[in-house]
Amino acid sequence: EAGVTQFPSHSVIEKGQTVTLRCDPISGHDNLYWYRRVMGKEIKFLLHFVKESKQDESGMPNNRFLAERTGGTYSTLKVQPAELEDSGVYFCASSLDPYEQYFGPGTRLTVT
Amino acid sequence: QKEVEQDPGPLSVPEGAIVSLNCTYSNSAFQYFMWYRQYSRKGPELLMYTYSSGNKEDGRFTAQVDKSSKYISLFIRDSQPSDSATYLCAMVASGTYKYIFGTGTRLKVLA
Repeated sequence: EAGVTQFPSHSVIEKGQTVTLRCDPISGHDNLYWYRRVMGKEIKFLLHFVKESKQDESGMPNNRFLAERTGGTYSTLKVQPAELEDSGVYFCASSLDPYEQYFGPGTRLTVT
Repeated sequence: QKEVEQDPGPLSVPEGAIVSLNCTYSNSAFQYFMWYRQYSRKGPELLMYTYSSGNKEDGRFTAQVDKSSKYISLFIRDSQPSDSATYLCAMVASGTYKYIFGTGTRLKVLA
């Protein structure tokens, strides 16, 4: 069974540009999550989808971040315009239940 | 104060040692407790989870939860160099899906 996949693995962009991260969850997992780890800090929750609906977006830092999950399959996380403090590793996870979230390899975002 | 505290390490042990990794937390609503292993430049890999208090064993790994002390532990027996990684604890309250992570403990098992 394929795991959670994320694309790209690494992205370097300039401040003010736009970046879109993609996540493909494990097939059959209705729950999809985005997390972020900035340097030196713990992994922090951004938002949670159940199928195509946003269940909890309490962790989204501001309105420069937009997450979508069209058709309840893959998800995208767009940052527009990117700021320096957006640099970090963005993880996607998926699950059937809340206590077995499976994480992808992450996308390392560097904003210069 | 962080909801979950975890010593960042690094923790260095000789091969074959028993390793004890710990987290403390402040939110009594946490009901599920997870341990993840993360190798460098990889995503967190779920090792095991425990519901409420008690112990759970899986091979060389044992997870313990003491809700009265708000303290969880992961024990690794017969540690191997391949166990060298960062170990993350995570917790979630019943009725929610929002994980709260510790910062992770870096473990080095020396051959």
